[in-house]
Amino acid sequence: SAVISQKPSRDICQRGTSLTIQCQVDSQVTMMFWYRQQPGQSLTLIATANQGSEATYESGFVIDKFPISRPNLTFSTLTVSNMSPEDSSIYLCSVTTGFLGLYEQYFGPGTRLTVT
Amino acid sequence: GQQLNQSPQSMFIQEGEDVSMNCTSSSIFNTWLWYKQDPGEGPVLLIALYKAGELTSNGRLTAQFGITRKDSFLNISASIPSDVGIYFCAGRTDKLIFGTGTRLQVFP
Repeated sequence: SAVISQKPSRDICQRGTSLTIQCQVDSQVTMMFWYRQQPGQSLTLIATANQGSEATYESGFVIDKFPISRPNLTFSTLTVSNMSPEDSSIYLCSVTTGFLGLYEQYFGPGTRLTVT
Repeated sequence: GQQLNQSPQSMFIQEGEDVSMNCTSSSIFNTWLWYKQDPGEGPVLLIALYKAGELTSNGRLTAQFGITRKDSFLNISASIPSDVGIYFCAGRTDKLIFGTGTRLQVFP
């Protein structure tokens, strides 16, 4: 398993500003991901955070809006840029552990973002 | 983004009853995972399934990986109040795709 922490746990931000969310894992992991969970909805994958290269974004998400850093195998950041009220969501960091196809995926506690 | 169809959307049951929920997809998956999410928390992994037909238990929870690899179900036996929450299925190929969720309410 993996223990994941996120900072901040919640924030209230003004529109037009940016927020950087940090994700720290207690062990080195190959795969790190960022998800968004809009109010009352399921989880949607934003991007895969690749160590040493640019993140891989899913359809509908772009680097200018959600820049991601992955400086090492235990840490990643997600920035929500130029925020609008539609960005109010829970943002979740996730990691995969396991090998030979027997993968498990774990989630952090989430960052609750409210944009006013 | 892509999501899996999960049913029922919500369930209201009495303590002690058994619960069954399922997840279907038009795509084949290599892995099925089931999660529970409590309010204000991230999803917690309950069960992982890796082979078509596999049946796995974790305490009162039992889950199965469908033979076609396009579906999975989760059963909870003898429900208790702390089973309340939202249950998500998730299917994985190169990335994990989530179901729409089942909200479970248990009444004493």
